[in-house]
Formats: sequence, C-alpha cells, structure tokens
Amino acid sequence: DAGVTQSPTHLIKTRGQQVTLRCSPKSGHDTVSWYQQALGQGPQFIFQYYEEEERQRGNFPDRFSGHQFPNYSSELNVNALLLGDSALYLCASSLGGHIEAFFGQGTRLTVV
Amino acid sequence: AQTVTQSQPEMSVQEAETVTLSCTYDTSESNYYLFWYKQPPSRQMILVIRQEAYKQQNATENRFSVNFQKAAKSFSLKISDSQLGDTAMYFCAFMKLKYNDMRFGAGTRLTVKP
Repeated sequence: DAGVTQSPTHLIKTRGQQVTLRCSPKSGHDTVSWYQQALGQGPQFIFQYYEEEERQRGNFPDRFSGHQFPNYSSELNVNALLLGDSALYLCASSLGGHIEAFFGQGTRLTVV
Repeated sequence: AQTVTQSQPEMSVQEAETVTLSCTYDTSESNYYLFWYKQPPSRQMILVIRQEAYKQQNATENRFSVNFQKAAKSFSLKISDSQLGDTAMYFCAFMKLKYNDMRFGAGTRLTVKP
C-alpha cells in the first residue's frame, strides 16, 4: 500500500514565477491538507481539500491556491513566487473525519 | 487562535537514558487532540503518540508516554530507553475536533548520543 506521495522532491524556481506541487494521498483517503515548513520552523497549515472543495484555509495569501481531483489527488499552486516562499511543502492525507493524518516526504522548493 | 509552544529548541540524551520534551498550548476549546510527531532527516513526519483531551489517562506507546495536564495546557513527551534512531526533530501539534488541520510548535531537535 503506497503511502502519501509528493512530486517533485526538489524544485528551484525564480522569483516571480509560478509553481505547481502535486500530492497523491494514501489509498482510501479522501482529504488532503497542505503545510509549509520554513527552515527551522514547524509546519504551517495552508489549506485542506475534501470532496474537491477547499474546506479550510490558514493564514496564507491568495497567491496560494489548490485543487483536488476526483481521484482525491491534489495540487498546490503558488503564483508570483517570493524568496520567502522557499520552504518544504508537506502534504498530509486522511479519511474524512478521522483524526490521524499521514504525511508525504515533502517537496523542497527553493526560490532564487 | 490556537498556539503551540515548544520552549526547548535543542536537547540531547545518552543512549538508554530518559528524556522529556516540553510543550504548552493555548486554546479556548474544551475538546481537542494533541500529537507528537517525529521528523527524521528523511523529512517525513511520523506520528509518535496522540492524546484525546477528553481522556484523563495519559497515552503510552511502547517507550513513549505523555504527561497531559489539561488545566495547565501542558503536554510533555517522555522517551524512555532512548535509542540512536530517536534522533530527530520532534513537533508538538494541536488539532480541533471538527477539522483535522493541525497547529504545530517550532520543534525540538533531539540528539541521542552513544
């Protein structure tokens, strides 16, 4: 049983560009959450998708957007990249209201 | 808003000894969940232990146990018989009941020395 998979593992982008990160949830899971983890800090909640809708959102600007597909996979899009967007982006999946979330290994985004 | 504070940026312990990591949180909720996650260099967050706030009994998972003090809003992690593989970042996290988005602390870097 594959766990949560994220792609790509590493990415380098230039300031002002746009980026798309991808997440495939654990088999059977229908809820995907995205987190940003800056260097030396704990993960910060970006948003959560359930049934293809954004269910909850953290304190992130509109430059951060997402999507969930019918197969429950998800994308995180960041527009107009800033140097401060450099971070590890983590995806976590869970089943409906179940409390346990499983994390992927993250995508390391570097903005230069 | 919920906040989670880990006041120990770094800790170290000798192999086979016991170490306690501290966590405090702030919330107006009466029912919630608390977690400890481990993040090794591989970057993947691994659930160590969880505690439901409505349960008075402290959770235990093998060598890992918590001291949950609801009135004090304190949630510490005790690791017994520390092993080299326990070396990692440890994050305390809070979650409200309705939605499973988590609020994390800044983490404690634990080093287990041989």
